[in-house]
Amino acid sequence: EVQLLESGRGLVQPGGSLRLSCAASGLTLSSYAMSWVRQAPGKGLEWVSTIGLSGTTYYAASVKGRFTISRDTSENTLYLQMNSLRAEDTAAYYCTKGNPGTKGGMDVWGQGTTVTVSS
Amino acid sequence: QSALTQPPSASGSPGQSVTISCTGTSSDVGGYNYVSWYQQHPGKAPKLMIYEVTKRPSGVPDRFSGSKSDNTASLTVSGLQAEDEADYYCSSYGGSNNLVVFGGGTKLTVL
Repeated sequence: EVQLLESGRGLVQPGGSLRLSCAASGLTLSSYAMSWVRQAPGKGLEWVSTIGLSGTTYYAASVKGRFTISRDTSENTLYLQMNSLRAEDTAAYYCTKGNPGTKGGMDVWGQGTTVTVSS
Repeated sequence: QSALTQPPSASGSPGQSVTISCTGTSSDVGGYNYVSWYQQHPGKAPKLMIYEVTKRPSGVPDRFSGSKSDNTASLTVSGLQAEDEADYYCSSYGGSNNLVVFGGGTKLTVL
């Protein structure tokens, strides 16, 4: 069974940093586009970042220059390094698998991990 | 403000059909056949229901169908069932500078 398990949830002060992890089982991360999607409390879905099949990275304008997506093929784990965090980054962050790229949608989602940015 | 526009709510009685719209621009919905739809029940992760405008992943009932005309995509749920009550989000490929754009979501109520 294909599963994505996020970790790294936490409460962080504005301006702080946090790294999210997404451990994949039942699939090889490097064979798919992998993305992070977030959802602020009571709000809709917002695409955050994608790492493509070739390793090319893409970012939403709202996080570009602050967030970095990466993957460790040996650990089969996806990461999201979040720096200079702002209150508006508070959200549940989902790790998602492409079908196989993002154009085909995201067909596997993790359970989500919560990030709260507050002083 | 979301990049794609969806109605905030929709409703229908059991057995009826309901259609949810998703309006974008020629830079996203209208420019590519890469529209997806997601279903999200409260407290749960979203689930892919439709991809590439009309295709259904394995396991998704054929009561769910997708279509597109110009800059507007649509999700139709036929034969409404109680378990279809959920939030539905559309998304589209938006080009290399804005890879994925989502709609604001539509809350579907089964009366």
